[in-house]
This record gives sequence, C-alpha cells and structure tokens, in this order.
Amino acid sequence: QVQLQESGPGLVKPSETLSLDCSVSGYSVSGAYYWAWIRQPPGKGLEWLGSMYHRGTTFYNPSLKSRVTMSVDTSKNSFSLRLSSLTAADTAVYYCARQARSSWTWYEIDSWGQGTLVTVSS
Amino acid sequence: SSDLTQPPSLSVSPGQTASITCSADALPKQYTSWYQQKPGRAPVMVIYKDTERPSGIPERFSGSSSGTTATLTISGVQAEDEADYYCQSADISGTYVLFGGGTKLTVL
Repeated sequence: QVQLQESGPGLVKPSETLSLDCSVSGYSVSGAYYWAWIRQPPGKGLEWLGSMYHRGTTFYNPSLKSRVTMSVDTSKNSFSLRLSSLTAADTAVYYCARQARSSWTWYEIDSWGQGTLVTVSS
Repeated sequence: SSDLTQPPSLSVSPGQTASITCSADALPKQYTSWYQQKPGRAPVMVIYKDTERPSGIPERFSGSSSGTTATLTISGVQAEDEADYYCQSADISGTYVLFGGGTKLTVL
C-alpha cells in the first residue's frame, strides 16, 4: 500500500520561496503514476498546483505556473515542490498525492499524504 | 471560483438518500472522481471513473454521470457520512486538473 509523507517548514516569510518534500513508500516514483501537489487554504476548497511524471513531464496550474517548480528524485523515492514569491494567500495545508493519467487526460487521485500546514507570515 | 460547480451544502436525515451534483461543460468527455474529507483529515477517494468504487468504500456510495453533470449518491446516509465532498475532473483538453468547490453534507 502506497504511503506519502510531506515534510518542510511550517512558517515561511512573505516574498520567500517554499520548499516541500514528499517521501513515498510502498510504490516506486518511477512507476506509471504522476505525482501531484494540492493545497487547501484554511476553511476553503482544494486547489491543484501541478503534477509531474518521473521522466520530467510536468503540468502546472496556469494561475500559479510562473511561481511553481516540481521535481522527482528517483534515488530517494521522493518528489518536491518549490513555490516562490509567497504571500499570505499561499497559507494553506499542502498535500502530496499520487495521480493517474492516460495519454491525454487526468484520472483519479488515489493516494494522499496527511498534509502539512504552511503559514506565510513575517 | 471553481470550474466544476457543486452545491455548497446539503442536509439529509439518517437513512435518507443524499445526491451531490457536479457540473461542467467538459464532463461529457472527462471522467469524474469524488473525495470525502472529514475535519482535519486528508481527502479519501470514494468514487473514480464516474462509477467505480474503491475497495473498502461502503456500497451505499455510488456515482453516475450524464451529459454535463456527475452525481455522487449516498444511499441510507449514516451519521459517519457527515463530511465535505469534492468532485474532481479535467478541463476539455485534458491538460489541467479541476476540483469542485466542495459540498458540506450535514446529517441531521
């Protein structure tokens, strides 16, 4: 059974860059799935940030595309998120997840990490 | 705003049927998945590919899709089903992942 665990700072200053890692166990990040980041501001809904395949193909939310970078580390069986130019609006619980994709479209997100709260404040 | 439209809230009595809708122009061409989220917890997938139920999800959860609307149905609602429910799909081109705004299900 695949398990995902986010790690990173809980508090980041405005204008700085957030870096989060997601450690995967029970499944290889080099497998057939995409690896996703999703966030949820306090009291609000889910927002997809982007997804990445281990061979480098990435898809980003167009509203965040200029600030988001994702990467996969097959040697550590993990993947990462970098989000730059932070503001208070980026305060949220950040989830890493595993997602299915066909040759042309997205399918289900079948496994989620427990989430990590990131607060943007000086 | 969300590209997938859900009702913000729904209230039902125990034992009744709850139907939560999700609407978007892309749905005739895209599959829809549904997630249950309880307070302080990560979302859990309850339906995928419109109608498929993952192992471990009770049979009272079912899904359907017709035209531009997908529906999550919970038959014989129980108190433990009180949660937020989100639909998820893709845009018409299959490039971007979309979430609905979420529906808060209250069991009276």
